[in-house]
Amino acid sequence: KQEVTQIPAALSVPEGENLVLNCSFTDSAIYNLQWFRQDPGKGLTSLLLIQSSQREQTSGRLNASLDKSSGRSTLYIAASQPGDSATYLCKTSGSRLTFGEGTQLTVNP
Amino acid sequence: EAQVTQNPRYLITVTGKKLTVTCSQNMNHEYMSWYRQDPGLGLRQIYYSMNVEVTDKGDVPEGYKVSRKEKRNFPLILESPSPNQTSLYFCASSGGYTSSYNSPLHFGNGTRLTVT
Repeated sequence: KQEVTQIPAALSVPEGENLVLNCSFTDSAIYNLQWFRQDPGKGLTSLLLIQSSQREQTSGRLNASLDKSSGRSTLYIAASQPGDSATYLCKTSGSRLTFGEGTQLTVNP
Repeated sequence: EAQVTQNPRYLITVTGKKLTVTCSQNMNHEYMSWYRQDPGLGLRQIYYSMNVEVTDKGDVPEGYKVSRKEKRNFPLILESPSPNQTSLYFCASSGGYTSSYNSPLHFGNGTRLTVT
């Protein structure tokens, strides 16, 4: 059974800092890995989708990488802003869709 | 606008009173699914559907029913709600049958259900 872990559970940084969020998974037989953002009480917004054949995807200040062999993905956020404050979740797609519990990010002005 | 629409956003009900949470998507997606989100437990899949009239159990299907009579709609039915079903529920959809695992998952805004 796939297990997806996100560490740390919470992270607080000053505005402008570059940061990395981590996602690890136990079963490397995945089709893709997707990163989401969730604001309090809201749905999940898709940020980046990395196919299993890809190593990374970029969108604006966000860069996601995937290393299937080591069971790891990272989400890099450049020049963080207070508006980036949210919970970030990763999801693997294999025989099942499995979500991590998320990292709650706070960017302080 | 491409979207997944859930209704209602908030629902308070009593134990045993049947309820339905509706979900509709306008992206012609074949894959649809329901999740519940609870503190400390994360997002857990309740049911999913790969196509019309095709539904399968997720990780926590007990106490729930679904139907997929039309491509765009995937209602979640609680025949006899209990307090342990108090949660935040999300509907999601993605891609086509052959690409559901390679397409992004799109979420609705959620339904907060309280069962007293």
